[in-house]
Amino acid sequence: GAVVSQHPSWVICKSGTSVKIECRSLDFQATTMFWYRQFPKQSLMLMATSNEGSKATYEQGVEKDKFLINHASLTLSTLTVTSAHPEDSSFYICSATWRFFGPGTRLTVL
Amino acid sequence: QQQVKQSPQSLIVQKGGISIINCAYENTAFDYFPWYQQFPGKGPALLIAIRPDVSEKKEGRFTISFNKSAKQFSLHIMDSQPGDSATYFCAARLSQAGTALIFGKGTTLSVSS
Repeated sequence: GAVVSQHPSWVICKSGTSVKIECRSLDFQATTMFWYRQFPKQSLMLMATSNEGSKATYEQGVEKDKFLINHASLTLSTLTVTSAHPEDSSFYICSATWRFFGPGTRLTVL
Repeated sequence: QQQVKQSPQSLIVQKGGISIINCAYENTAFDYFPWYQQFPGKGPALLIAIRPDVSEKKEGRFTISFNKSAKQFSLHIMDSQPGDSATYFCAARLSQAGTALIFGKGTTLSVSS
């Protein structure tokens, strides 16, 4: 069965609203989780590294104030897309270690 | 130096044939080279991975060949089946705990029946 889950699997929101995506490791504790974004027919691009109990590390070009990451426990990391705009529409995927990826969350901003 | 170059971009193979996808890297600090399979609308799933001190690894119909001196590695899918039709990504991991992966651009494989 899945060892990393994401919720929701898809979400549609209006421009200007905020959306929270949860990533849970089900069978193990993950001190580090990773958030990727994938546009259609493209590869996965790392957005940020989520560290339990400390601040996330963002990749160059990713707005930390727009993509808020919280890793409050060893099994849960959340990504909040604040003031979402249509260009934020994408497939967001989390991973816990390099072995286990979540099923992804499809975000559509209208 | 952080890139992983993957080719071809797309591949069509007859059922029962061999699918071959190639990747190349520059950074010798990479310590693990995994391959992932991704179906539309799903997250990537780990297929097989290899360390640079191993020249070949086989798991079922999937084989990784690794050429350390050439800084190249490839995925071979033997007896390709229509169910193998998916996008395949090679990746590389830096030799530090907690580091993320560098992904290739992906190869879309279509296996015709």
